[in-house]
Amino acid sequence: DAKTTQPNSMESNEEEPVHLPCNHSTISGTDYIHWYRQLPSQGPEYVIHGLTSNVNNRMASLAIAEDRKSSTLILHRATLRDAAVYYCILRDVEEYGNKLVFGAGTILRVKS
Amino acid sequence: DVKVTQSSRYLVKRTGEKVFLECVQDMDHENMFWYRQDPGLGLRLIYFSYDVKMKEKGDIPEGYSVSREKKERFSLILESASTNQTSMYLCASSLFRPDTEAFFGQGTRLTVV
Repeated sequence: DAKTTQPNSMESNEEEPVHLPCNHSTISGTDYIHWYRQLPSQGPEYVIHGLTSNVNNRMASLAIAEDRKSSTLILHRATLRDAAVYYCILRDVEEYGNKLVFGAGTILRVKS
Repeated sequence: DVKVTQSSRYLVKRTGEKVFLECVQDMDHENMFWYRQDPGLGLRLIYFSYDVKMKEKGDIPEGYSVSREKKERFSLILESASTNQTSMYLCASSLFRPDTEAFFGQGTRLTVV
């Protein structure tokens, strides 16, 4: 399985943009880049995913490097409710389905 | 509203008991997953299933087994519960395609005493 590397923690001020980085230097051509987040006392929830092009949705934006070896999750205006653990994951179709393997993630703290 | 439902939010069992954790999804998903989450260790994959009666070991399958007799239901079984299996257990499901999102249940906090 291709691995991802994220900083252990990051801090942001409320209403400022947050850029959460992820390195995935061994990514394969068919790996999708997914981001999930886990709020306190809840199960993880999907944030966004992409393959090659940058992606936007109502929650966030995903910027993917041209060589696909890194990506950045962008929260445009952090709120206190965005304080969570953010996971960057690669998903590919293997012979018998695709695993969903989590790393340690980045703990995002948002200051008011 | 799509849903992954875990049978219990909190569970207390005795050492040596056989424990069943149930997970049901209503989205006709092929993939289902079981994880445990411990402080400092993150989410670790125990088992996953990509079809009825099919199962694959994850990173930490020892001490666990699973059953998937119907597409919507994936059970995690602790044959003989031990105190080191005290943890938060999370179930998830997704379509087979890697460009789709996974949905998680709220978790079951299991305490083995």
